[in-house]
Amino acid sequence: DIVMTQSPLTLSVTPGQAASISCKSSQSLLHSNGKTFLYWYLQKPGQPPQLLIYEVSNRFSGVPDRFSGSGSGTDFTLRISRVEAEDVGIYYCMQSISNPTFGGGTTVEIK
Amino acid sequence: EVQLLESGGGFVQPGGSLRLSCAASGFTFSLYAMTWVRQAPGKGLEWVSCVSGSGVSTFYADAVKGRFTISRDNSKNTVYLQMNSLRVEDTALYYCVRYSGTNCYYSDMDVWGQGTTVTVSS
Repeated sequence: DIVMTQSPLTLSVTPGQAASISCKSSQSLLHSNGKTFLYWYLQKPGQPPQLLIYEVSNRFSGVPDRFSGSGSGTDFTLRISRVEAEDVGIYYCMQSISNPTFGGGTTVEIK
Repeated sequence: EVQLLESGGGFVQPGGSLRLSCAASGFTFSLYAMTWVRQAPGKGLEWVSCVSGSGVSTFYADAVKGRFTISRDNSKNTVYLQMNSLRVEDTALYYCVRYSGTNCYYSDMDVWGQGTTVTVSS
């Protein structure tokens, strides 16, 4: 299985500041069709996960533009340009180039 | 409105069985692969199993292979997870999730249910 490693474990952010989460995969997520199968999810407290970003950098419907994704191959980043109180929760990266695996999660909290 | 409603969770002793169901509404069910993802108490997300839109192809995590069986009834817009030989480590909240495509690979999981809790304990 492909191992997904996230860092940091916890991020404490002042509202309005930027935040970045790293996700590294043990194998390349680039398919021969040119697509890279890396996704980002946010699980708010007491809720199921919700899709934020698909295929590295595409925002899912309704996701605010303060969320952005970047990266390639095995190295990826989720960035929140200006953190808001509603952004608290656990962020997960996920790959689906093979049987899906998730990163361990990064908890974002407000200072 | 697109919805997934899980049921069938409960308390079972090790070695026992449960069947989870997930009723879908608000979309053309047969066009989408469906999957189960679980989350042990206080832990992260773990993919369990997937069935393609047609029901022909199924996939399992190594942790459940040979014990769990996924299936779907497209006439009832329902996906099932038959769980046999349950172990304490299967204790988790089980989410029913829709893939955004008809196959179990190369796709995101775009719609999640609220989950049903499975507790395995003696």
